[in-house]
Amino acid sequence: KAGVTQTPRYLIKTRGQQVTLSCSPISGHRSVSWYQQTPGQGLQFLFEYFSETQRNKGNFPGRFSGRQFSNSRSEMNVSTLELGDSALYLCASSSEFEETQYFGPGTRLLVL
Amino acid sequence: SQQGEEDPQALSIQEGENATMNCSYKTSINNLQWYRQNSGRGLVHLILIRSNEREKHSGRLRVTLDTSKKSSSLLITASRAADTASYFCATDADDYKLSFGAGTTVTVRA
Repeated sequence: KAGVTQTPRYLIKTRGQQVTLSCSPISGHRSVSWYQQTPGQGLQFLFEYFSETQRNKGNFPGRFSGRQFSNSRSEMNVSTLELGDSALYLCASSSEFEETQYFGPGTRLLVL
Repeated sequence: SQQGEEDPQALSIQEGENATMNCSYKTSINNLQWYRQNSGRGLVHLILIRSNEREKHSGRLRVTLDTSKKSSSLLITASRAADTASYFCATDADDYKLSFGAGTTVTVRA
């Protein structure tokens, strides 16, 4: 089975811009989670989607949003980028029958 | 805020030695998982231990869980250079959400 894929892998944006990141889960996985990883805050949970419904959301401002499509692919959007949004954004998928999450390689976002 | 805290923050050992790292958490859990991350890449799942289990093995990995102390340990035996990575514990503190600790960075010297 192919693993979780994330695109793009690297991204440079400037303050005030918006960005959309994409995640394709492992075939058959209907749950997709997003995490932000920074040196200062570590791994922080953003949100989780299952069958196009957001089931949980982390403590992030409304500038961070996401969605999931009927084929389980997911996107996350960050509007009005700030310098502090520079981070590695990780997507993970899981089956409804297990707790293990399978992570993609991440998208490294740099905001200038 | 993070549910888990790893200790130590960093560990440097010689190839062939054992590496032990600890994780403490704050709330009740259903299970605890350990993940490895190589140099800012994606996380790789290592092992999951359920709240009713006390010890689990997988290859060179041994995990213990003490729910009364809200703590877990990960032991890597006979370490190799390829074990150089950051190790994170994660708990299912909330529905459909994993909470990660700050991680332990392990360096295995040849």
